[in-house]
Amino acid sequence: GAVVSQHPSRVICKSGTSVKIECRSLDFQATTMFWYRQFPKQSLMLMATSNEGSKATYEQGVEKDKFLINHASLTLSTLTVTSAHPEDSSFYICSAQGHVNTEAFFGQGTRLTVV
Amino acid sequence: QKEVEQDPGPLSVPEGAIVSLNCTYSNSAFQYFMWYRQYSRKGPELLMYTYSSGNKEDGRFTAQVDKSSKYISLFIRDSQPSDSATYLCAMSASNGNKLVFGAGTILRVKS
Repeated sequence: GAVVSQHPSRVICKSGTSVKIECRSLDFQATTMFWYRQFPKQSLMLMATSNEGSKATYEQGVEKDKFLINHASLTLSTLTVTSAHPEDSSFYICSAQGHVNTEAFFGQGTRLTVV
Repeated sequence: QKEVEQDPGPLSVPEGAIVSLNCTYSNSAFQYFMWYRQYSRKGPELLMYTYSSGNKEDGRFTAQVDKSSKYISLFIRDSQPSDSATYLCAMSASNGNKLVFGAGTILRVKS
């Protein structure tokens, strides 16, 4: 399958700081990228959907000013957690889709710990 | 009520056993059904993909969808210790878009 690289795999930051997570499609162009959040022993919850060159669509209850998503190119999307707090600590996973109605491939996830 | 219900387990079986994993759902609009495997601290990996009702087999894995009962299953034959992981069901109303995941079932295959 196609390769989606997510970086960093693990990050620890202090409360109040911002953290940027990158999601790259390595061998295909991703017209759509999805960002998920996963709490321990819980399901993946879709946070937002981003299409290259346009604003992300956020799911209900997700603060767009807190979770900034940029999809500036067909191979890169970034999620920035702004003014992070301990409750933002979670596992964040991206997935990338080449074309509508095709399989979306997942990155390896980023473990964020806010202290 | 959650859109997708999945028993979190853990489910512990001996090597070689047949494993049955299940999900139920409430949204009749779901037409695309998937099973993912997730190892600890890794992203999900697609195992099986099924459209509408029916069965699909791939090696030791068989996926079943019963839309009339809003029930899907994944069977793993001759389970191996390397199958130990969390198995997530996922579904969507349109192909490849906005997946709704179950909570995931933790499977442990003992050698």
